[in-house]
Amino acid sequence: NAGVTQTPKFRILKIGQSMTLQCTQDMNHNYMYWYRQDPGMGLKLIYYSVGAGITDKGEVPNGYNVSRSTTEDFPLRLELAAPSQTSVYFCASRAYTDTQYFGPGTRLTVL
Amino acid sequence: KQEVTQIPAALSVPEGENLVLNCSFTDSAIYNLQWFRQDPGKGLTSLLLIQSSQREQTSGRLNASLDKSSGRSTLYIAASQPGDSATYLCAVSGAGNMLTFGGGTRLMVKP
Repeated sequence: NAGVTQTPKFRILKIGQSMTLQCTQDMNHNYMYWYRQDPGMGLKLIYYSVGAGITDKGEVPNGYNVSRSTTEDFPLRLELAAPSQTSVYFCASRAYTDTQYFGPGTRLTVL
Repeated sequence: KQEVTQIPAALSVPEGENLVLNCSFTDSAIYNLQWFRQDPGKGLTSLLLIQSSQREQTSGRLNASLDKSSGRSTLYIAASQPGDSATYLCAVSGAGNMLTFGGGTRLMVKP
């Protein structure tokens, strides 16, 4: 199993550009999560999904959108990038047990 | 709103020392508490998960305790090694298994 994979690893965006961060898991987990981590801080939940077709907002959803058309994929969309969205983005998934499995992260810089 | 605090923010110890990392949370209505390890530029790896009904969990040289009523958890690392150098994150789980993270403790173990 590859676990949770994220692409790209790094990205630089200009203000106002849009992009999609990809997340895929091959563990057949129903639950998937997107977090952001600012320097020296803990992770904050952006959006989560409890299964295909079901998504909900976390603590910091503004400026982001998600979709969950399949069990495996949970992309995160930034429509109008702003400098405040410069961060490291982590995707995670879990089964019905409580342990969340994390991807390696995407480091995004908005200039 | 749940808030999680980790003290100290950074810690440097010589190899072989036993050490304790602290985590406190403001709302005792949690489902579980997890300790994660994060290596530079990498994702998070779950170390220990303590259910709200449990008092402690052990894995190898790691022991985590939970006092839900006082809103505290500690991670004890015995006989520290340079390979233990990383950032350690504490997270508590509330409704929907949404995790609230602390800011982390950056640990450096010197040979």
